[in-house]
Amino acid sequence: DIQMTQSPSTLSASVGDRVTITCRASQTISSWLAWYQQKPGEAPKLLIYEASSLESGVPSRFSGSGSGTEFTLTISSLQPDDIATYYCQQYKSYWTFGQGTKVEIK
Amino acid sequence: EVQLWESGGGLVQPGGSLRLSCAASGFTFSSYAMSWVRQAPGKGLEWVSAISGSAANTYYADSVKGRFTISRDNSKNTLYLQMNSLRAEDTAVYYCAKRTGSGSYSPLAPWGQGTLVTVSS
Repeated sequence: DIQMTQSPSTLSASVGDRVTITCRASQTISSWLAWYQQKPGEAPKLLIYEASSLESGVPSRFSGSGSGTEFTLTISSLQPDDIATYYCQQYKSYWTFGQGTKVEIK
Repeated sequence: EVQLWESGGGLVQPGGSLRLSCAASGFTFSSYAMSWVRQAPGKGLEWVSAISGSAANTYYADSVKGRFTISRDNSKNTLYLQMNSLRAEDTAVYYCAKRTGSGSYSPLAPWGQGTLVTVSS
């Protein structure tokens, strides 16, 4: 089974800050990685697919990079609406999620 | 617009059974694989099960294999999850989700709003 490890678990930043979340796969998954945003009480929403492709309607301040086993999600300028928990997910072999990163406003 | 709507959640005793449904609209249901993903209270996301568009292939997480059965009725645009021998650790919000593409590799979007299953005596 492919395991996904995210860091950090919690992140506190100020509005306007650049924020980076890291995800590591236990084996290579090429670029078969997605990022989801989940706000409290809501279902997850797809932000990024194939490691770096922006889902339609997602603000351009979100970006993804990486391939193989190391991936990052970057928010170029943190906004109050970005307060949420972010999950990475591999879909090369079934589907496995990282444990999540909670983003808070400092 | 693609819409998914889960139902069937509720309170069930340990060892009991429950069947979840997910009604789909806004796309050609039979052309897309579907999945169930769950989230225990205050915890992260766990993939549970998936089924191909034709229902010919089904997949399960080890944690539910042998207890849960995924199925679909393409004539009714509905996905199901039959859950037997339920345990306290199965308590979670259960989401259904559509694979974004029909190829070999695709993430999940959109997701339904979820239905809460509580296993407790």
